[in-house]
Parts: sequence; structure tokens; C-alpha cells
Amino acid sequence: DAGVIQSPRHEVTEMGQEVTLRCKPISGHNSLFWYRQTMMRGLELLIYFNNNVPIDDSGMPEDRFSAKMPNASFSTLKIQPSEPRDSAVYFCASSFAAGQPQHFGDGTRLSIL
Amino acid sequence: QKEVEQDPGPLSVPEGAIVSLNCTYSNSAFQYFMWYRQYSRKGPELLMYTYSSGNKEDGRFTAQVDKSSKYISLFIRDSQPSDSATYLCAPVSNYGGSQGNLIFGKGTKLSVKP
Repeated sequence: DAGVIQSPRHEVTEMGQEVTLRCKPISGHNSLFWYRQTMMRGLELLIYFNNNVPIDDSGMPEDRFSAKMPNASFSTLKIQPSEPRDSAVYFCASSFAAGQPQHFGDGTRLSIL
Repeated sequence: QKEVEQDPGPLSVPEGAIVSLNCTYSNSAFQYFMWYRQYSRKGPELLMYTYSSGNKEDGRFTAQVDKSSKYISLFIRDSQPSDSATYLCAPVSNYGGSQGNLIFGKGTKLSVKP
């Protein structure tokens, strides 16, 4: 069974540009999570969905960040406009249900110049 | 006080050594605990999952939970160079809107030298 698939693996763009990160969760998993990882702050939860519905977005840093999950097999995280401080590795994870082990993708390494 | 704390390391040991990785947490209500391993430029992968106090063993790995001290440990026996990675502990939140979420520590970086 394929794991969590994220795209792109790497993204380099200039400040002010819109960035869209994509995630395909494991089939049959009902919960989807977006994380950001930096050296300073470690792994931070940004938002999570349960059955395609956003449950907790308190980790989203500001209004420049938005996330959608239009169906059970696809989610996006968008940053508009992007800033250099958004540079980080963004991970998507899915699980069968909240509280169950989460399975991570290999992340998107984002650099904002 | 942060909810979950880990010594960032790096921890360097010779091949074959017994490794002890530790984690403390502040919320006494946590009941479930996970350990993840993260290789460089990869996503975290689940290593161990424990429900309660005591030990759980899986091959060369043993997870230990001491709820009275709010202390979690991961032991690696006969460590191998392939164990070189960052190890993240993650209690499962059981309160409010974050119920069921993992609260990750920053991780301990381990290097096993051949």
C-alpha cells in the first residue's frame, strides 16, 4: 500500500509568491494532519482534518496560511503571500482516526527567498 | 514549562552499545505514548506505541513509561549504524480541541559509530 504522498518535494520561490503544497493520504485513513518542522521549534501541528472537515486550525500561524480537503484523497496547504520566515519542511500525515498512530509523508522542503 | 521535553543531543555511541533516549512531559493526564524515528530528509516513522506504564519490547527496542515521574524512555540494544537518526517522543493529547493529537518533543539526534 502506498504511503502518504506529498508534492512537490522541494520548492524554492521568491517572497510574495503563492505556494501550494499537496498531500494524498493513505487510502482508508480518516484523519489528516499538516505539520511544519524547523530546527528552532521542532514539529508543530498546523491543522488537522477529520472526515475532510477541519477540526483544529489553532496552529495555523496567520491568515496567510489556508488548508483545504475537498475529498478523502487530497488536501492542500496554501501560503499567500509567502515570506522568508515560512521556510521550513512541511509534513502531511494521516491516521485511521484521531489518537491512532500517524503515518507521515517525506515532506516538502520550502525555501522562500 | 514545555509540554514535552527531550535532550536534543547529539548523542554519539559506538556500535553495539545500549542506548537510552529520554523524554519528560508535564501533563499527567497523558495516557498513550509514541516514539517516532526520523532519518535525515525523511518523514517521521512510528517505532513504538504504548498505552500505559511499564515496558513494551519489540526486537532490539524497549519503550518504558513511568507515569508517576512523567518520564518516558526508549532503549536500543546492540545499536547499529542504521539506528542513526533523530528520535521523537509523542504523547497523545487527551484534552479539549486537540484531543487525539500527538504532542511532539523536538527529538534527540543519535549517531552510532561503526
